Amino acid sequence: DTAVSQTPKYLVTQMGNDKSIKCEQNLGHDTMYWYKQDSKKFLKIMFSYNNKELIINETVPNRFSPKSPDKAHLNLHINSLELGDSAVYFCASSPRWGQHEHEQYFGPGTRLTVT
Amino acid sequence: AQTVTQSQPEMSVQEAETVTLSCTYDTSESDYYLFWYKQPPSRQMILVIRQEAYKQQNATENRFSVNFQKAAKSFSLKISDSQLGDAAMYFCARQDNAGNMLTFGGGTRLMVKP
Repeated sequence: DTAVSQTPKYLVTQMGNDKSIKCEQNLGHDTMYWYKQDSKKFLKIMFSYNNKELIINETVPNRFSPKSPDKAHLNLHINSLELGDSAVYFCASSPRWGQHEHEQYFGPGTRLTVT
Repeated sequence: AQTVTQSQPEMSVQEAETVTLSCTYDTSESDYYLFWYKQPPSRQMILVIRQEAYKQQNATENRFSVNFQKAAKSFSLKISDSQLGDAAMYFCARQDNAGNMLTFGGGTRLMVKP
């Protein structure tokens, strides 16, 4: 059983388009995250949600809009895609906000290529 | 910014030998957790080992162990009896009590020679 799943795994699109990446976790966790891994493999937090509420927004352009319809899902919508948005996007989850002893469980990543 | 630094972009080890990956970090917190994650070519992020800042004893998981030096803010990963399947990117990360988010180092690519 997949704990944290993301769809699609690969996404190729043109500049200016709008696209969404979906994330679902079946672990019963309260907290979910989006991370971006750039071409140099550097990983950086983008957003964190706890029980469907936005907790962290790390100076991400407002073209990126996360949405959490319920605590098992955290989707990422990107408007007006730019070349610099090409990256691997990881969704992750952890049991509770504020319990930093818990590891985060990562999805398989979505490789976004903007042409 | 409170950073995590991995000074070795690439490391190489002979199969069955031991290798140590370095990590230093900066934090103003007294309570935090440190993690090593492995990312093989499949891209999946896999937890290797974790260490609580309050615990003086170094964490160990089978062939993986850490050398945690809190005063020096150093957290290195030792891999013993290296195997071909250990070849991957390794990321050191810090998780603070306040933010609950992971701050990652830049990664070290480990190559294992047969």
